[in-house]
Amino acid sequence: GAVVSQHPSWVICKSGTSVKIECRSLDFQATTMFWYRQFPKQSLMLMATSNEGSKATYEQGVEKDKFLINHASLTLSTLTVTSAHPEDSSFYICSARWSGGSNEQFFGPGTRLTVL
Amino acid sequence: QKEVEQDPGPLSVPEGAIVSLNCTYSNSAFQYFMWYRQYSRKGPELLMYTYSSGNKEDGRFTAQVDKSSKYISLFIRDSQPSDSATYLCALPSGYSSASKIIFGSGTRLSIRP
Repeated sequence: GAVVSQHPSWVICKSGTSVKIECRSLDFQATTMFWYRQFPKQSLMLMATSNEGSKATYEQGVEKDKFLINHASLTLSTLTVTSAHPEDSSFYICSARWSGGSNEQFFGPGTRLTVL
Repeated sequence: QKEVEQDPGPLSVPEGAIVSLNCTYSNSAFQYFMWYRQYSRKGPELLMYTYSSGNKEDGRFTAQVDKSSKYISLFIRDSQPSDSATYLCALPSGYSSASKIIFGSGTRLSIRP
């Protein structure tokens, strides 16, 4: 159990276009989902905390108008990178925390974004 | 000072060796400690978690916490090439489901056959 999926697993796009990444908890409900970005050989950097039915909370330095987060249901959160630029190329990982209150976060497999 | 410090490595050891991975933290409010393993181009997976000072063992893995020194360790016995990955310590900032997790920078481990 406790599977989190991401779609797509990789995407290549042109500079200036927008890309949407989906994060789904397949077998549990997640009140809270988290979005991370990871550059090569670096650790995960939290971008935002996504709460179902409310606005996401962004970390300092993360542009909320550039990284749009929607958490419309207890099993789905989406991250849209708007007007992507090459410096946005990274590995984007989501995680979901079970609504039952466990501290464990279940991570998705990640989405590799390459902006040309 | 970072909230969590972790030596990024890389660390390379021969197969069968005992591996010691460590993190230090600055905030004594952290009460819950986790270790994640991340293979290349994959999401992290939880290896172990512990609440209290002392040791917790799970197969070849032992998590050790010393709250007085704010020092946590992960030991891997009889290391295998399949253990080659990046290991991240992780400390939740609270007990609610919305609490952030503070990750260490990760230590890249390579086990030589």
